[in-house]
Amino acid sequence: DAGVIQSPRHEVTEMGQEVTLRCKPISGHNSLFWYRQTMMRGLELLIYFNNNVPIDDSGMPEDRFSAKMPNASFSTLKIQPSEPRDSAVYFCASSTHQGLSGYTFGSGTRLTVV
Amino acid sequence: GQQVMQIPQYQHVQEGEDFTTYCNSSTTLSNIQWYKQRPGGHPVFLIQLVKSGEVKKQKRLTFQFGEAKKNSSLHITATQTTDVGTYFCAGRKVDNRKLIWGLGTSLAVNP
Repeated sequence: DAGVIQSPRHEVTEMGQEVTLRCKPISGHNSLFWYRQTMMRGLELLIYFNNNVPIDDSGMPEDRFSAKMPNASFSTLKIQPSEPRDSAVYFCASSTHQGLSGYTFGSGTRLTVV
Repeated sequence: GQQVMQIPQYQHVQEGEDFTTYCNSSTTLSNIQWYKQRPGGHPVFLIQLVKSGEVKKQKRLTFQFGEAKKNSSLHITATQTTDVGTYFCAGRKVDNRKLIWGLGTSLAVNP
């Protein structure tokens, strides 16, 4: 199994540009999570999906952030327009049992907004 | 605010010394998970504890869940340089499906 696959690994963009992060969960996992990690705030849950349906997006910082899961094997997190304070590592994770078991994380996308 | 507190924030040990990190919740948890994140890496799931008073071992790692299901600990015996990283606990409240993450304990090991 290739694990959870995220792309790109690194993204440097200018303030105001649109950024799209991509994630392919493990086949058979029915829950998918988007996290943001910073030194100051640690791991923050942005949104999670069960069976491709968004269940809780209360962690999405503001309207500039949006996430989709059009099918069981693909999800995107979009930031438009990006701001320097969005700089962080963004992780995607997937899990079985509606997220009640351990999560498998992807390698993350390190986003830098200048 | 943060509802799962982890201490210490940092720990620096000599190789061969023991290490313990503690996780405390203000509310009762249905279960708790532990993860390890190597520098520059991603969190890796270690274990999940569900039962009150549960103790589980993985080689040199011992995990405990408190009787009241509000606290947990991870103990590493005779640390090695491969143990370097940040250890996170993540608890799930009884009435909520979301995991609440601690801020982690960063472990450094001097060879």
